[in-house]
Amino acid sequence: EPEVTQTPSHQVTQMGQEVILRCVPISNHLYFYWYRQILGQKVEFLVSFYNNEISEKSEIFDDQFSVERPDGSNFTLKIRSTKLEDSAMYFCASSETRDRKYFGPGTRLTVL
Amino acid sequence: GIQVEQSPPDLILQEGANSTLRCNFSDSVNNLQWFHQNPWGQLINLFYIPSGTKQNGRLSATTVATERYSLLYISSSQTTDSGVYFCAVGGKGGSEKLVFGKGMKLTVNP
Repeated sequence: EPEVTQTPSHQVTQMGQEVILRCVPISNHLYFYWYRQILGQKVEFLVSFYNNEISEKSEIFDDQFSVERPDGSNFTLKIRSTKLEDSAMYFCASSETRDRKYFGPGTRLTVL
Repeated sequence: GIQVEQSPPDLILQEGANSTLRCNFSDSVNNLQWFHQNPWGQLINLFYIPSGTKQNGRLSATTVATERYSLLYISSSQTTDSGVYFCAVGGKGGSEKLVFGKGMKLTVNP
């Protein structure tokens, strides 16, 4: 089965630094998503992206966050100035038809 | 928004036992997925099952959309089945997002 990949698997950063989390969605998929899971909590939706635009975002996705599809294969999530509470697992997902979402293995972000 | 309830919240089994995990949701859905989160935090896609029944090895799932619930069956459990199981649903209101339940922690002892 095709897979979504994410890099790095674990990122450690200092508070206030910018981080970019990278994802390679499944090649023929058109819809892309980021989700977040704070340790011990449930997985929460952040943003959906289609046709080079944000199609939906949650209240969590404030001005500190941005997404981009810089080329034909990557999909990135940028956090401009990280806070301690940004520490979480970040999951990328992609979908061909907006129905079934294929999730990547996640990037663990630790903000010190 | 749509609500997702999973039960039981925790389950401890001996290897070889069977288990049933339940997911109730509060509204009509066009998407329902089951995931297994392993001890390293990775989300493993198990089933895409907005309705009907599917089987994959020792795992099977059934969704009764009209009654707003889904069941995940694990037969002959193994220690590698341990982890957290999440149900996630997508509503019919035009939003694409999946709403996750709180998860069910399964521990399978040898």
